[in-house]
Amino acid sequence: QKEVEQDPGPLSVPEGAIVSLNCTYSNSAFQYFMWYRQYSRKGPELLMYTYSSGNKEDGRFTAQVDKSSKYISLFIRDSQPSDSATYLCAMSANRDDKIIFGKGTRLHILP
Amino acid sequence: ETGVTQTPRHLVMGMTNKKSLKCEQHLGHNAMYWYKQSAKKPLELMFVYNFKEQTENNSVPSRFSPECPNSSHLFLHLHTLQPEDSALYLCASSRYSGNEQFFGPGTRLTVL
Repeated sequence: QKEVEQDPGPLSVPEGAIVSLNCTYSNSAFQYFMWYRQYSRKGPELLMYTYSSGNKEDGRFTAQVDKSSKYISLFIRDSQPSDSATYLCAMSANRDDKIIFGKGTRLHILP
Repeated sequence: ETGVTQTPRHLVMGMTNKKSLKCEQHLGHNAMYWYKQSAKKPLELMFVYNFKEQTENNSVPSRFSPECPNSSHLFLHLHTLQPEDSALYLCASSRYSGNEQFFGPGTRLTVL
């Protein structure tokens, strides 16, 4: 079983819809969870950073962590065409540990 | 210049060539990283430098040779590469060794 599983997509949704992106993981030691957004021909950009279980909201983005299920989600409300990108989940056991990335999900928001 | 910059943005090289990738961070960070991003694979950590000292070498072949002369600059020297080394090479930095990393735009490398 891979350490981090993420559906590569592509995922296509109409503008204005709520988007749900997910990752599962196998290592129960992971405590730090991140979501990166990567536009075409650019490097990844840190979107959300959370510690342990619970929710974190930032504007239209909500990150959710369920450690008991080893499952993390990123929700995007009122999706815009500018949200079209690849979204990478990432996690680590400790703050200065190596980050383990998912493969990324390609998201297309259709105008 | 702001953030993390990388040059060149694109590089095509033959298997017998020697080339270098350059990364510079303008964020006052102390840790720098090289990652490899291949199609349909997760980001792979290659090297970590913390206060100019290499703290991680993730079993990378010796045809990749990193150099970190100071906390702002990181190089990746390439020689006798293989076609399977073609990928996007990303540099990142963080304030200290940790997971709030800022990435550069990457160098798209093609090995013929």
